[in-house]
Amino acid sequence: GGIITQTPKFLIGQEGQKLTLKCQQNFNHDTMYWYRQDSGKGLRLIYYSITENDLQKGDLSEGYDASREKKSSFSLTVTSAQKNEMAVFLCASSIPGGWQNTLYFGAGTRLSVL
Amino acid sequence: QQKVQQSPESLIVPEGGMASLNCTSSDRNVDYFWWYRQHSGKSPKMLMSIFSNGEKEEGRFTVHLNKASLHTSLHIRDSQPSDSALYLCAALTGNTGKLIFGLGTTLQVQP
Repeated sequence: GGIITQTPKFLIGQEGQKLTLKCQQNFNHDTMYWYRQDSGKGLRLIYYSITENDLQKGDLSEGYDASREKKSSFSLTVTSAQKNEMAVFLCASSIPGGWQNTLYFGAGTRLSVL
Repeated sequence: QQKVQQSPESLIVPEGGMASLNCTSSDRNVDYFWWYRQHSGKSPKMLMSIFSNGEKEEGRFTVHLNKASLHTSLHIRDSQPSDSALYLCAALTGNTGKLIFGLGTTLQVQP
């Protein structure tokens, strides 16, 4: 088995601040994802990466940057935090392609912006 | 516009009852569907997957898929309070890796 580690668990930022969230996986999976979850509702795809150094935009990429420096890590940057923003950011990984694409999630980073 | 639509938004069933959840994709290129379950304060975990037309049963859980209408449904029989959770439907187009989730159905099972 493997594990996905997200850091930090909690992140409190100021309006306009640039904030970075990190994700590490030891599944040796090729594909990694960043999703945002608001108020316990559905997941919206921000960025995903099929392999090392690959980046693909999701439906919510505006206001975010991502970086896949190596196979095991995928980081997400909030380029300018919005006042009163509260959300959970979930990182996930999977084997790429078709029916094998089951996602394994980290525990999440909970963001609050003052 | 949400490409994966789930209904109902919330559902209350009595313990021992049947819960039925629906999911439809508006993307005609979708090939694969998953159902994930997320308990409060936890991360989503894959519950069931379905890729072919028809039905698949695992214990108290049954999923159906109609590929022509891109509609899948999840049915939970003999519902238990521990089934209370957010149920998320996810859809994948071919080998793109772009996995899109719906907004979810919140299920509450009342003892």
